[in-house]
Formats: sequence, structure tokens, C-alpha cells
Amino acid sequence: IQMTQSPSSLSASVGDTVTITCQASQDIITSLNWFQHKPGKAPKLLIYGASKLETGVPSRFRGRGSGTHFTFTITSLQPEDVATFYCQQSDNLPPTFGGGTKVELK
Amino acid sequence: VLLQESGPGLVRPSETLSLTCTVSGDSITSNHWSWIRQTPGKGLEWIGYVSFSGGTNYNPSLMGRVTQSLDTSNNHFSLRLASVTAADTGLYYCARGKATPDFWGQGTWVTVSS
Repeated sequence: IQMTQSPSSLSASVGDTVTITCQASQDIITSLNWFQHKPGKAPKLLIYGASKLETGVPSRFRGRGSGTHFTFTITSLQPEDVATFYCQQSDNLPPTFGGGTKVELK
Repeated sequence: VLLQESGPGLVRPSETLSLTCTVSGDSITSNHWSWIRQTPGKGLEWIGYVSFSGGTNYNPSLMGRVTQSLDTSNNHFSLRLASVTAADTGLYYCARGKATPDFWGQGTWVTVSS
């Protein structure tokens, strides 16, 4: 299953709302995860099952969607959110990842 | 739960890459454990998993070259990737979980070069 993520990068200001989209090449129901990756750190699971927030993850992170189209939103962007974000489908083996979206501050 | 990858940072072409992931805070006999890599050419790529019982499932793109195993006495699991080429150069991560990895290591860089 191919995962197409957009945009590949974006620049936003603190307090802005940021949205990333992820398109699956076939229906994956809600088997979609979102990860945050900061350089030199372990990737972190933020959202699983398309919309379920992992324990301890701030509520400004939100995931939506089903089928083939998914969105990931950060409301009120914070400086510590600067990272690369990836979507990943968990419906079929092998799990596959989107190409990533690098989020920077203006 | 903490995971830490270890192994040689340099492997010669055609040889076998061997990495170990040491787990603390969980028992490897109670979950599935995956290897994932990030290469310049392919981005993030799931390599495969080994289950708590030792069963395995590998990415078809790497089938025939990959072997994963558990070492329950040391609470770690391992990856072997045979016949490596420059295309296998990248950052290798171990993680807990089969299709939804919820804890990852920081990754270890492996260069394939003579």
C-alpha cells in the first residue's frame, strides 16, 4: 500500500494551525498512525487508529479520516513541535510510511 | 520502555549486517518486536518483526536476506541482513509492536562501504 503525504515541508508561526494530509492507495479503514520525529531522537507515536491520541500526547494534536484520506492537525503550533511528521498504514503487512512532512517555524 | 540499538557502524559490501536491540522496561516474551530503517533512497521502510514466540514476518522487498530472532536470556532481539549493498546504508531502528510501533530506539547509523 502506497502512502502519499503532503506537503513535504511547511513553515508556520507559533499559534498557527497546521494541517498535513495522507492518502492511501487503497482502503485502510482507520488503520493509520502518525509519528513525530526530531533529529537524533526516537520517533514518537502520536496518534493511532486514525484519531486516537496516544497516552500523554497533548490534545493540540488531532487526527481524522477513514478509507483512503486522512488529515493530521496541530492547533496552536508550539516551538517544541518543530519536527518531521510521518503517516503510516497498519492495515496490511508490510506497514508502509508516507514520505514525511517537515514542520518549521517562520 | 526503552530500546537501544547496537552493532557495527560499517559493513563491507556483500557481507552481513548484524544489529542487536536491548529492551528495558518490558519483556520481549510479551510483545512483537520490529526493525525499521530509513534510507536516503526509500525513506522509512519496515524490515520485519519477530513475535514473542519467535515467529517472524519480513518485508517481501528484503525476503531471503533478513533474519530476526529473540534472545530471551538477555531480553534482546536481533537483525541480520545478508549480502548488503550501498543501498542498505541508513539509519536502523528497533521498535516495539508489529504494525503500530509504539516505542522506538534512537536508531543506529550503518554505512555499507569497502
